[in-house]
Amino acid sequence: NAGVTQTPKFQVLKTGQSMTLQCAQDMNHNSMYWYRQDPGMGLRLIYYSASEGTTDKGEVPNGYNVSRLNKREFSLRLESAAPSQTSVYFCASSDPGGASSPLHFGNGTRLTVT
Amino acid sequence: AQSVTQPDIHITVSEGASLELRCNYSYGATPYLFWYVQSPGQGLQLLLKYFSGDTLVQGIKGFEAEFKRSQSSFNLRKPSVHWSDAAEYFCAVAHSWGKFQFGAGTQVVVTP
Repeated sequence: NAGVTQTPKFQVLKTGQSMTLQCAQDMNHNSMYWYRQDPGMGLRLIYYSASEGTTDKGEVPNGYNVSRLNKREFSLRLESAAPSQTSVYFCASSDPGGASSPLHFGNGTRLTVT
Repeated sequence: AQSVTQPDIHITVSEGASLELRCNYSYGATPYLFWYVQSPGQGLQLLLKYFSGDTLVQGIKGFEAEFKRSQSSFNLRKPSVHWSDAAEYFCAVAHSWGKFQFGAGTQVVVTP
């Protein structure tokens, strides 16, 4: 049972480069999320998708775009990476979504922007 | 504004001793409350959750948490810690759709 799978696990980018973080879940969940984790700040929501075909901004969306490709997959794109985007990125899913549904997390992508 | 505070950034505890991690929240109504644990290099795993009803909730790995409305707290406890409990622990509040607010985390170190 894979759960939530994120790729890649590690990535180093130069300032200005672009990349896409991939996330897939096999639990048939409707809702998917992207968080970033920074020391001393907990997790902050970047974007979320309540269901296939919908996406909404979270707390820290600037510099990011997302695509809900289908029910399973939710990708996060950095068009022009900046050092401030150095962080650990987590994808999560939940079902049916909403405040009472716990989040299921992937193992994260550690991104360094130099 | 809603907020979640974990006052202790770092706690060191001896193996076999009891553990209590503090969490305070600020929210207008009774929120949905969660505790997650993160082992090094891993994602977050749900330990337990509180929605309503009995204010003492049991979770996995021998953890429990108590909701105290009067103190706006949801503290996590374990009677006897094991070396494998060394990890970072996050309290979270969900107050509307998709809006989980996480505390900054408490790092737990277990000594022999």
